[in-house]
Amino acid sequence: QKEVEQDPGPLSVPEGAIVSLNCTYSNSAFQYFMWYRQYSRKGPELLMYTYSSGNKEDGRFTAQVDKSSKYISLFIRDSQPSDSATYLCAMSDGSWGKFQFGAGTQVVVTP
Amino acid sequence: EAGVVQSPRYKIIEKKQPVAFWCNPISGHNTLYWYRQNLGQGPELLIRYENEEAVDDSQLPKDRFSAERLKGVDSTLKIQPAELGDSAVYLCASSLGARNTEAFFGQGTRLTVV
Repeated sequence: QKEVEQDPGPLSVPEGAIVSLNCTYSNSAFQYFMWYRQYSRKGPELLMYTYSSGNKEDGRFTAQVDKSSKYISLFIRDSQPSDSATYLCAMSDGSWGKFQFGAGTQVVVTP
Repeated sequence: EAGVVQSPRYKIIEKKQPVAFWCNPISGHNTLYWYRQNLGQGPELLIRYENEEAVDDSQLPKDRFSAERLKGVDSTLKIQPAELGDSAVYLCASSLGARNTEAFFGQGTRLTVV
């Protein structure tokens, strides 16, 4: 079993809808949680970074962490076709330079 | 500010041939990472540098892969000889320090071994 599980999708939503993404993990030592967006043939781009449990909001993006359930989520409000990409979650226990990535969820926002 | 720069963007080689990838990290970033991303998967760490020192190369297949970061800035990753299973995207990332979890990625080099 992988340390980080993420549904590969694709997840197709109409423009303007809320996109809901999530990852589950097994390592209770993880305390840093990140979401990256990766467009086709591009490198991952950091979207959100949260520490420990709770919510964090940045514009149309909201990240949630529930450490008790070992579950993290990313919500994208008012989705746009430009949000079509693969979204990767990544986690770290704070060890120097060690990140564990999920496999990524492909999101398609249709006009 | 320029981001992480990688070259080449694409490379097609025959198996058993050597190949090298180059990375220029963001200025001032001491930590440099090389990741490999297979199709439909997340990136997997190959090696991490703190300045010019390789501090985590446990996932690097040392029989055929080598890396260097001379002067603690640019880095090269080499594969010799390449195998069919090495086809993947090779990503370079950098951060201010390993404790800083905000790593910035380059666009990657897509390697195809035929």
